[in-house]
Amino acid sequence: GEDVEQSLFLSVREGDSSVINCTYTDSSSTYLYWYKQEPGAGLQLLTYIFSNMDMKQDQRLTVLLNKKDKHLSLRIADTQTGDSAIYFCAEDALDSWGKFQFGAGTQVVVTP
Amino acid sequence: NAGVTQTPKFRILKIGQSMTLQCTQDMNHNYMYWYRQDPGMGLKLIYYSVGAGITDKGEVPNGYNVSRSTTEDFPLRLELAAPSQTSVYFCASTGRVGLSTDTQYFGPGTRLTVL
Repeated sequence: GEDVEQSLFLSVREGDSSVINCTYTDSSSTYLYWYKQEPGAGLQLLTYIFSNMDMKQDQRLTVLLNKKDKHLSLRIADTQTGDSAIYFCAEDALDSWGKFQFGAGTQVVVTP
Repeated sequence: NAGVTQTPKFRILKIGQSMTLQCTQDMNHNYMYWYRQDPGMGLKLIYYSVGAGITDKGEVPNGYNVSRSTTEDFPLRLELAAPSQTSVYFCASTGRVGLSTDTQYFGPGTRLTVL
């Protein structure tokens, strides 16, 4: 079956860059999202990108999209301890829009 | 705006009991969703609604029912609770206007344990 897939765990040192990877399923027009979930909380949107874009930057966050490989990444520059959380990528394909597909989440642990 | 609110925050049920998880949004969003998140797992879509009076099944609808009588409310009903329904339940909503997009706004979650 086709799923949105992510690596499950990432450990990074404070001050380094984090890169979280995701592969998605749909090759047509698609919105792709990154969400952050802190312990005991719901999901909060970090950023999103539309599939006709290659890159989007928002302060410490950079999203890169490789449409050929259906690969999405989120780079967090100067990672801080407050960035420790689970990060989900999600896809909302326009041919099934409204039915978001979420990855399993990547747990990011930031060490001093 | 309060956003998406869910009640209760925590609940323990005995096997076979029933309950309703409440979800309300005050953003006039048409789309509403129920997800469950099992420990260490991602979100699985239970049911969703594209507007008042319209609901549809998601990936894991068995054991659940929903209704959408108003734009604001989207309750999730569990009949005959089973231990497999122990999970954290999230309600979400989104508004969509033409080809623009809006993210999903999530409630804080309801942590349900069935013993």
